[in-house]
Amino acid sequence: AQSVTQLDSQVPVFEEAPVELRCNYSSSVSVYLFWYVQYPNQGLQLLLKYLSGSTLVKGINGFEAEFNKSQTSFHLRKPSVHISDTAEYFCAVSDRSSDMRFGAGTRLTVKP
Amino acid sequence: DGGITQSPKYLFRKEGQNVTLSCEQNLNHDAMYWYRQDPGQGLRLIYYSQIVNDFQKGDIAEGYSVSREKKESFPLTVTSAQKNPTAFYLCASSTSSGISGAIQYFGAGTRLSVL
Repeated sequence: AQSVTQLDSQVPVFEEAPVELRCNYSSSVSVYLFWYVQYPNQGLQLLLKYLSGSTLVKGINGFEAEFNKSQTSFHLRKPSVHISDTAEYFCAVSDRSSDMRFGAGTRLTVKP
Repeated sequence: DGGITQSPKYLFRKEGQNVTLSCEQNLNHDAMYWYRQDPGQGLRLIYYSQIVNDFQKGDIAEGYSVSREKKESFPLTVTSAQKNPTAFYLCASSTSSGISGAIQYFGAGTRLSVL
């Protein structure tokens, strides 16, 4: 069965600084990878997904992520964050043998 | 607008009471899911359904029940057997089971508290 580890529970960063939210997964088969964002008291919204093809995936709101098979990672990056990016971010993985599994989440706080 | 509607937004349960959370989707999706979210624990799968009149237990099904009589609807009942029901509950749907890499779309959630 696959699992997801988000390495940082909280990431504080100043506005306009770059940010990286780290995600590692474990799976014995080919995987599909996702990043979702959750604003307070709301559901989850898809930021980006990796299904196949190019390992660099671009998503909404200027975010991107890179699939690294050898390191089993799918880290999320943004070159310059805004106050409005303050939210909780979830990494998720699914594969051909089982349904989607979510990490514990990373709370990104952007400070002025 | 297509989407997933969860109601109510806030719900309070008394001791020994069963409560039902509603989830309706108009996306024509086959698969539907219920998750429980607790601080610092991410999302944990309660139940899921890949087709009408069929559903499967997830990782934390004890104390919960579901039905799937219509494609559009997947209500979740939190029974009195669930001793710690206070949490944020999220419903999701997808075109098919996640084994095909299908994206899950989420409702806005129901926050359940115990009186």
